[in-house]
Amino acid sequence: EAEVAQSPRYKITEKSQAVAFWCDPISGHATLYWYRQILGQGPELLVQFQDESVVDDSQLPKDRFSAERLKGVDSTLKIQPAELGDSAMYLCASSPQGGTGEQYFGPGTRLTVT
Amino acid sequence: SQQGEEDPQALSIQEGENATMNCSYKTSINNLQWYRQNSGRGLVHLILIRSNEREKHSGRLRVTLDTSKKSSSLLITASRAADTASYFCATPDGYDKIIFGKGTRLHILP
Repeated sequence: EAEVAQSPRYKITEKSQAVAFWCDPISGHATLYWYRQILGQGPELLVQFQDESVVDDSQLPKDRFSAERLKGVDSTLKIQPAELGDSAMYLCASSPQGGTGEQYFGPGTRLTVT
Repeated sequence: SQQGEEDPQALSIQEGENATMNCSYKTSINNLQWYRQNSGRGLVHLILIRSNEREKHSGRLRVTLDTSKKSSSLLITASRAADTASYFCATPDGYDKIIFGKGTRLHILP
């Protein structure tokens, strides 16, 4: 069964350092999402791609976060510089065509900023 | 925003009992979804119910939707230890994305 891949699974970094997360969605899925999930809360959307284009990054802290999906397949989310408050689970999800239907999630990357 | 709100925040029941959790939302929707998240993992889609459906079943899961009350419920029958997880409802936010509630943390006691 096809799955969304994410790496790394865990990342510990010091504040002010740069960190990057990678996501490979299910093959053929046009829409890719990055979510941030703070412990005890639900996922919050950071950025949504349709193919290689950003369709929603209204909640992305653009002073330190960036995301790209250059060929419309895999994607990278970067934080530079990391802050203590960035400690969270970063989840990637994909769906065939976006909309408000089912999303398929990867296992997530647990980020700890010290 | 449209964020759904799950109730209760946490629930502990004995293995074999039924578990019920609820989701309330504010504005009209065309569908509602439930997801499960095991500790430290990604979310898994459980079920999607459309606004013209009142009830939907999937294995031991039963979901209801009452659009007049703007609420949904998720019933897990004959609970098992493996059902220990957080459960989130998700509702549309605009036409092209969904928004998650804060979740119900379910703990199944042996």
